Amino acid sequence: DGGITQSPKYLFRKEGQNVTLSCEQNLNHDAMYWYRQDPGQGLRLIYYSQIVNDFQKGDIAEGYSVSREKKESFPLTVTSAQKNPTAFYLCASSIDPSVYEQFFGPGTRLTVL
Amino acid sequence: SQQGEEDPQALSIQEGENATMNCSYKTSINNLQWYRQNSGRGLVHLILIRSNEREKHSGRLRVTLDTSKKSSSLLITASRAADTASYFCATFGTSGGFKTIFGAGTRLFVKA
Repeated sequence: DGGITQSPKYLFRKEGQNVTLSCEQNLNHDAMYWYRQDPGQGLRLIYYSQIVNDFQKGDIAEGYSVSREKKESFPLTVTSAQKNPTAFYLCASSIDPSVYEQFFGPGTRLTVL
Repeated sequence: SQQGEEDPQALSIQEGENATMNCSYKTSINNLQWYRQNSGRGLVHLILIRSNEREKHSGRLRVTLDTSKKSSSLLITASRAADTASYFCATFGTSGGFKTIFGAGTRLFVKA
C-alpha cells in the first residue's frame, strides 16, 4: 500500500526541547517537502529536498533542521530556537514538482506546553 | 510572500449550486495545481494544469488558466455537502527556486 506517512499524529513539547517529526514515503519520489500550517492559513515551506543528501531552505527555515540520508525518509527537527513552534506540520513528496503533483501525509500537530 | 492568492477567502452555498474559486499569482509558472483539505487532514491533489493549457476537467471539477492575467479558477458543479473543505491553489515556477508555493486558501461550506 503505497503512500506517505507521518508520525506522531500529535506531539507535545516543553519549551526548550528539540523534537523530531518523522516523514516516510514508499512512492519512490525524489523530492520531499516540509510545510507549516497555522490555523486558517495556507502552507508555508520550511525545507525541501530534490534528491538524497541534498536539501534547501524554504521561506521559514529558521529554528528548523532536516536531513535526507535515505530516499524514503525526510525527518524534521524543531529546535528550541523556533520561538513559536505550535502548528500543524505537513510533509509531502513528488516525482518531479515541475511536472507532477505533490502527495501529502496526514500531518503532525505540534503543541508547545 | 505567497505566490498564489485565493478569492474569496470563504464561500457558503446551498447543495446543488456551483462554487467558483479564483487564484491569482505573480510570476511565471510551469504549472498550477488545486488541492483540497478537510479540517485537520493532509492535502489531496485535485487537478494540475500546465502553463500551455487553458482548461481541464475532472468529474465535477473544471479549472481554467489565463497566463496573460496570471489567474486561475476552480469551478465545482452541483456541489454536495461532502465538498465542504478548504481549497488551495499552488504554483510551481523556477524563478524563486525549485519549489511549489501555496496560497492561503478558500474555505467552502456547502449547506445541505
